Amino acid sequence: SQELEQSPQSLIVQEGKNLTINCTSSKTLYGLYWYKQKYGEGLIFLMMLQKGGEEKSHEKITAKLDEKKQQSSLHITASQPSHAGIYLCGADAGNTGKLIFGQGTTLQVKP
Amino acid sequence: GAVVSQHPSRVICKSGTSVKIECRSLDFQATTMFWYRQFPKQSLMLMATSNEGSKATYEQGVEKDKFLINHASLTLSTLTVTSAHPEDSSFYICSARSGQGVTEAFFGQGTRLTVV
Repeated sequence: SQELEQSPQSLIVQEGKNLTINCTSSKTLYGLYWYKQKYGEGLIFLMMLQKGGEEKSHEKITAKLDEKKQQSSLHITASQPSHAGIYLCGADAGNTGKLIFGQGTTLQVKP
Repeated sequence: GAVVSQHPSRVICKSGTSVKIECRSLDFQATTMFWYRQFPKQSLMLMATSNEGSKATYEQGVEKDKFLINHASLTLSTLTVTSAHPEDSSFYICSARSGQGVTEAFFGQGTRLTVV
């Protein structure tokens, strides 16, 4: 079965600093999703990547999918306290129609 | 983005009773809905996948008779936790997507279930 491994598991950065979260899949990714979650709340959709080499940006968040489609990175530029939360990468598990998730990365941004 | 409404957001029930959680897609037709369970400070664990009009497909280790899933229409899926016990206390989240293949999945707000 396909698995997603996220790193780091947790991250504490000073406000204004850049950071990167990685998501590695055990199998080829056909759809890679990034979500943000505040603990105890629903998930907020950030971005979806499909093509090898694809890169998307939204405000100060950029996500990339590598050419081999087995790894994605999420980069936040000039982090702010509002970026704090849990970042989850999700993927379609082959042709099963299932959406699976990595274990999440908890981000804290210190003012 | 599309809106998925989950209700209730919080529920407390007595051990042995059943609880129903609803998940509605408000502005699109959800051909597929997913139910997840999330333990504190952990990721989402997929419980089951349901397609409209079909029986849900449960993940290994998830009891079908305990977690009843119904996806009777393209806008509504329900999860019923039967004969709830304290160990069923958790955060349950639904997700919905339309169409086939790689499409966006939208999430409900989650339901915090506490069994006392």
